[in-house]
Amino acid sequence: DTAVSQTPKYLVTQMGNDKSIKCEQNLGHDTMYWYKQDSKKFLKIMFSYNNKELIINETVPNRFSPKSPDKAHLNLHINSLELGDSAVYFCASGLAGSFDEQYFGPGTRLTVT
Amino acid sequence: AQSVTQLDSQVPVFEEAPVELRCNYSSSVSVYLFWYVQYPNQGLQLLLKYLSGSTLVKGINGFEAEFNKSQTSFHLRKPSVHISDTAEYFCAVSNRGSYIPTFGRGTSLIVHP
Repeated sequence: DTAVSQTPKYLVTQMGNDKSIKCEQNLGHDTMYWYKQDSKKFLKIMFSYNNKELIINETVPNRFSPKSPDKAHLNLHINSLELGDSAVYFCASGLAGSFDEQYFGPGTRLTVT
Repeated sequence: AQSVTQLDSQVPVFEEAPVELRCNYSSSVSVYLFWYVQYPNQGLQLLLKYLSGSTLVKGINGFEAEFNKSQTSFHLRKPSVHISDTAEYFCAVSNRGSYIPTFGRGTSLIVHP
């Protein structure tokens, strides 16, 4: 069983389009995260949700909007895609209360042309 | 604010040789420390973590790390590497009670036959 899954694995789209990436975890964790990994492998946290509530919103353009329909899902919607949005996006989950280890999904490679 | 510095962006080593990947952190409060590994085209997975207790931490795949509070370091070591250890390694730190992790920029371990 896949602990943290993301769809799609690859996403190629044109500038200006709107796209979504879905994430699901079956670990029963209360906290979920979205990270962006750039071409130099630098990993930066974007959002964190705890029990469907936003608890971290780092400096991210408001074109990015996370949505958590329930605590097992955290989707990422991106409006008006730009070239600079090209990256690998990782979903992760972890235990609530304090930062402990995180479980990462396989990543979604987004390419904006 | 906390920060993580991985001093080497790339570490080439021959198979069966020992290796050390360096990680230094800065934080004004007590921390949790982690090492993650990312194999090509995959998500990150936890190698080991230090939360409290013994400063020598053993992880998966024969890796270990030592927490040195006076030097604010958490270096990762393996006595004998395999080709399959070729991957990107990330050091991460979080303050106790915080949801906000900080990752280093990664060290690419390249094991040559």
